[in-house]
Amino acid sequence: DTGVSQDPRHKITKRGQNVTFRCDPISEHNRLYWYRQTLGQGPEFLTYFQNEAQLEKSRLLSDRFSAERPKGSFSTLEIQRTEQGDSAMYLCASSAGVSGTEAFFGQGTRLTVV
Amino acid sequence: AQSVSQHNHHVILSEAASLELGCNYSYGGTVNLFWYVQYPGQHLQLLLKYFSGDPLVKGIKGFEAEFIKSKFSFNLRKPSVQWSDTAEYFCAVTLDSNYQLIWGAGTKLIIKP
Repeated sequence: DTGVSQDPRHKITKRGQNVTFRCDPISEHNRLYWYRQTLGQGPEFLTYFQNEAQLEKSRLLSDRFSAERPKGSFSTLEIQRTEQGDSAMYLCASSAGVSGTEAFFGQGTRLTVV
Repeated sequence: AQSVSQHNHHVILSEAASLELGCNYSYGGTVNLFWYVQYPGQHLQLLLKYFSGDPLVKGIKGFEAEFIKSKFSFNLRKPSVQWSDTAEYFCAVTLDSNYQLIWGAGTKLIIKP
């Protein structure tokens, strides 16, 4: 499978714990995006990388959230001191660096904070 | 703030019925428009996209959408739905040269066999 892959698929954590998610984009794609989706809503943009550079970050992303893409390939999203409101589906997507190309999405990581 | 509105949150149709799902956006500049579909248990997949040119775009599985700039709309259509079209449909836009997708809340479509 050469699509976008995310790990883990599901994560249950206690409030206050730190969690880290991983995203492996399609190998030739230089753009990588993180979105968050809650029940009954469309995805909300969190952050975007072009290669290893984090070019845009949503105001939704509090300082408890950090994302990296150290070598311009896979990316990690870490949430520190999780809160119940962080419970959501975290989606990763990638696209080629050419205007007019679509974003391809992974299956997502469902986070439940108890 | 820029936004995307999908008029119906739930739509129930019988097989062979015609489908039209509404999508409106609020932005006066250049937009790129997308419809994504999410089948039960699967990831988001692109149905079709509009960047420029013919405002009537055709996508996969017999879907099409028409960009009407004067109405800020990009409605999705299919002349005859099938049971396998049961899914959630999302309209999304990017603004100017920004790569960030702005999404509607989605429409859950149920097709009765």
